[in-house]
Amino acid sequence: SQQGEEDPQALSIQEGENATMNCSYKTSINNLQWYRQNSGRGLVHLILIRSNEREKHSGRLRVTLDTSKKSSSLLITASRAADTASYFCATSNFGNEKLTFGTGTRLTIIP
Amino acid sequence: NAGVMQNPRHLVRRRGQEARLRCSPMKGHSHVYWYRQLPEEGLKFMVYLQKENIIDESGMPKERFSAEFPKEGPSILRIQQVVRGDSAAYFCASSLSVSNQPQHFGDGTRLSIL
Repeated sequence: SQQGEEDPQALSIQEGENATMNCSYKTSINNLQWYRQNSGRGLVHLILIRSNEREKHSGRLRVTLDTSKKSSSLLITASRAADTASYFCATSNFGNEKLTFGTGTRLTIIP
Repeated sequence: NAGVMQNPRHLVRRRGQEARLRCSPMKGHSHVYWYRQLPEEGLKFMVYLQKENIIDESGMPKERFSAEFPKEGPSILRIQQVVRGDSAAYFCASSLSVSNQPQHFGDGTRLSIL
């Protein structure tokens, strides 16, 4: 099974609304990263949050991390059509730099 | 300020041929990672390399697949005697040589096996 599992698998909202995606993982982590992938393209790094951090912001993005529940959330405020993409969480374990990805959330912003 | 460069973007091979995928990391990055993505799925780790060394190849199939990151030049992912199941998007990422640094991805190579 996936180390990271995103919820929901697909999300459609109206432009201007907020979008929230969740990620759960199973083992202890060193950090958790969120990425965006547009169709047919590579992944774009959004935010890295370390295991000793609880919340980080970057522009319209807000990421939370709850290590006791082994979960993270990504909030995109005031969504735009350009935010339409797949969003993945990925975890890195201590002493191991490889990333373990979830299956992603497909976000569609309706103009 | 070039990002991670992968080539070719698309590669078509017939069954039994060899596929060579290239990746040039971001300037100053000495860690390279290869991932594979099947349609509608997340990325799966294959191999992690530093200059001239394979650090972790736990995600790489034992046969037909190999990777290198020479002292000079790009990292190469090589697939010998390709089969239909090798069709996928292969992504390379690079990072700085310290922990807790983000990995930056290239646009991938889409490999199609006829």
